[in-house]
Amino acid sequence: EDKVVQSPLSLVVHEGDTVTLNCSYEVTNFRSLLWYKQEKKAPTFLFMLTSSGIEKKSGRLSSILDKKELFSILNITATQTGDSAVYLCASLTRGDYKLSFGAGTTVTVRA
Amino acid sequence: DAGITQSPRYKITETGRQVTLMCHQTWSHSYMFWYRQDLGHGLRLIYYSAAADITDKGEVPDGYVVSRSKTENFPLTLESATRSQTSVYFCASSEGDIRHTFGSGTRLTVV
Repeated sequence: EDKVVQSPLSLVVHEGDTVTLNCSYEVTNFRSLLWYKQEKKAPTFLFMLTSSGIEKKSGRLSSILDKKELFSILNITATQTGDSAVYLCASLTRGDYKLSFGAGTTVTVRA
Repeated sequence: DAGITQSPRYKITETGRQVTLMCHQTWSHSYMFWYRQDLGHGLRLIYYSAAADITDKGEVPDGYVVSRSKTENFPLTLESATRSQTSVYFCASSEGDIRHTFGSGTRLTVV
């Protein structure tokens, strides 16, 4: 059975702090690792990582995949209150293109 | 407007009733998915479809039925609703090896 585990489950930081979110996976027919942000509505896409060791960046967010050790991290630098959300990690499988999600990490950024 | 739309946004129903949640996408994506989201579980796949008239079970299919007679529509039916099916339901679509795009969700309460 495919498994995606995120840690920590939740954290509280202050504005300006840096946050590192972890995602490990055990998935057969692994294709890619995706990160989504969810703010009380539909998940919105952040990154899709397919190749190992290549960092993807978007503003203050960045992510990297390690296919040997089967994990990914999502970094948020100089956090803002608008970064408060649930961050979801998911594995995409080959062939059927299903997503298997982790339970999510709830990030709360205090002013 | 292009996109993926779900209806209704909110639904309250009684135990034992049949309920259908609608999902419509305008991109002509081949793949469509239904997920449910419950506290502590992230999103779990109920059913998915690779094309019109092709559907398959996901992780938690019991109590649900789907159909896909047209590429753009993927309704989810709860044949006899139970309290354990109280959840937020998300429909998503993708064109294979790219990210899923999610609808706004349907919050279903079974009383």
